[in-house]
Amino acid sequence: NAGVTQTPKFQVLKTGQSMTLQCAQDMNHNSMYWYRQDPGMGLRLIYYSASEGTTDKGEVPNGYNVSRLNKREFSLRLESAAPSQTSVYFCASKADISISYEQYFGPGTRLTVT
Amino acid sequence: DAKTTQPPSMDCAEGRAANLPCNHSTISGNEYVYWYRQIHSQGPQYIIHGLKNNETNEMASLIITEDRKSSTLILPHATLRDTAVYYCIVRPDYGQNFVFGPGTRLSVLP
Repeated sequence: NAGVTQTPKFQVLKTGQSMTLQCAQDMNHNSMYWYRQDPGMGLRLIYYSASEGTTDKGEVPNGYNVSRLNKREFSLRLESAAPSQTSVYFCASKADISISYEQYFGPGTRLTVT
Repeated sequence: DAKTTQPPSMDCAEGRAANLPCNHSTISGNEYVYWYRQIHSQGPQYIIHGLKNNETNEMASLIITEDRKSSTLILPHATLRDTAVYYCIVRPDYGQNFVFGPGTRLSVLP
């Protein structure tokens, strides 16, 4: 099993450009999450999806949109990138809201917006 | 979710026990204590969690005080590979998301 995979690993964008970060998990998990981590900071939740077909805002959703394409895939879209969105983005998944305590994290996408 | 307080950094000699403290004085009765770590900007890794009782697994031990207002993560024999940022998180079992604060940067020294 690959666990949680993210693409791309690195990306540089110009201000105003758009892009989609991809995340996939092969553990048959119901819940999936997108976090961002700024230098020297902890992780902040952007959006999450409790199950296929549902998405909800986290702590810092402004400037982002998400799509839970199917049970495996959860994408994060930046419609008009801004320098403040320069960060490392982590995707995570969890088996179920009620029976699993552990979130599994992907390796991250390092995004720079100039 | 209850707020946690951790020291920003700690050092530990290789082979010795690393004891990482966490204060969570406003923890509620249904909130668990979780520990994750993040090695060199990789994705966070789950270590251990507990509610009231002390817990042990192959990675670490978790000691929770009787009043549950603080806890300690113990790495019994720290190695250089344990150098990482350690996050203490409290949240209800049914909660959807984890709130990661700045954590404790543990440096294991040879």
